[in-house]
This record gives sequence, structure tokens and C-alpha cells, in this order.
Amino acid sequence: GQQVMQIPQYQHVQEGEDFTTYCNSSTTLSNIQWYKQRPGGHPVFLIQLVKSGEVKKQKRLTFQFGEAKKNSSLHITATQTTDVGTYFCATNAGGTSYGKLTFGQGTILTVHP
Amino acid sequence: SQTIHQWPATLVQPVGSPLSLECTVEGTSNPNLYWYRQAAGRGLQLLFYSVGIGQISSEVPQNLSASRPQDRQFILSSKKLLLSDSGFYLCAWSVGQSFFLTLHFGNGTRLTVT
Repeated sequence: GQQVMQIPQYQHVQEGEDFTTYCNSSTTLSNIQWYKQRPGGHPVFLIQLVKSGEVKKQKRLTFQFGEAKKNSSLHITATQTTDVGTYFCATNAGGTSYGKLTFGQGTILTVHP
Repeated sequence: SQTIHQWPATLVQPVGSPLSLECTVEGTSNPNLYWYRQAAGRGLQLLFYSVGIGQISSEVPQNLSASRPQDRQFILSSKKLLLSDSGFYLCAWSVGQSFFLTLHFGNGTRLTVT
């Protein structure tokens, strides 16, 4: 099945600084989904990208899908302490239609006030 | 609206003991159901998924099994736990058939095998 690699593994920022996490694949992806997991919590769906070069925004969060559909990024502008958590990218694994997702290893974001 | 219940929230079990984790979904019919494991607070590994009653697909050979006795009930079991079974177990659901299904996770069960 398809695999996605996420970098960095950890990111420590000062409140107000920007943050970016990247998701890369060696193969063309059908889609990319992003999830956020707060410390001690469960992953929560943020957004899905399916089109080449697609860009979507949610307030301070900007999501991009690469032109070749092999990479994606999540950028947070002016981080806040509420942004703390682990951010995962995920993609449909093996081309099935049953929601089998392969997740990246996640980027753990720490925000210092 | 749909809700997912997962219990227990935490569990400490000795090596060699059995395991049963239960997950139920409310507010939807014929959901797709999944068990994921998260080790050491990092990536999510798909263990099992089910698209209907009695239909279980295993993704990773292991010491665990899953069953779906009712439409909205998904159970993760083990006859004899290993230390390596420790982790955060997450149940999730989706509905329909699509390449773009999104998952909705339960609150998880944190299992420690001692």
C-alpha cells in the first residue's frame, strides 16, 4: 500500500511563530487528509485535498496539495497555545473504497507561551 | 447525529491475560468500522476493518482478533496479551463507499500490559 512520510517529527515554536509540517510520498496519491490529535485525545479530521495544486484555508491553517500529488503541507500562521498537538496526514491505502487510511508518523507541535 | 463510544478508557492487564475492547456507533446504519493502534503516541496502524456484520479484514498479523456481532458493534480481543500489545487503541467509523471517506474516531482505550 501507499506510504506517506511526515517531517519534522517534532517542532517547538514560540507563540506567534509560524509552523509547517510536510507529508511526502514516492507515489502519486489519490487524496490527502489531515487530522489533529490533542495531547491525550483522539485524532480529529481537519480537511481533505484531492485535486492537483489544491489549496484550502481554515482560519490560520493553510493546506496544500502538490502539483504532482506526491506531497502536501499544513501551515499554521501565528501559532497559539491551542494549536498544540500532533498533526497527521493520511491517504487512502491501496486504492480501496472502504476508508482504509495510511497515516504518516505525525508531527508533534509544542507552542511555548 | 452520530456518536461513537469506546470503553474502557484505560486498562492495565497482566501478560497472558485476555482482552476485550468494545466500540459502538450510534446514529448511523451499516458503518464501516476500524481498529487502529497507536504506539508510543505516534503513528496510527490499522489493525482491522469491517464493512458489515461478520466481515472482518485483518491488516497486520498479530496476537489480536476482531469481531462484529452487530451492525454497530466492533470488538477487539486477545486470548493472551503480550507486552508488545501495550498502546492506545482507537476505534473509528465511516459511512459509504468512496475513495474519499473520512474517519471519525472514538476517545480510545489506553492499554498497558504489565
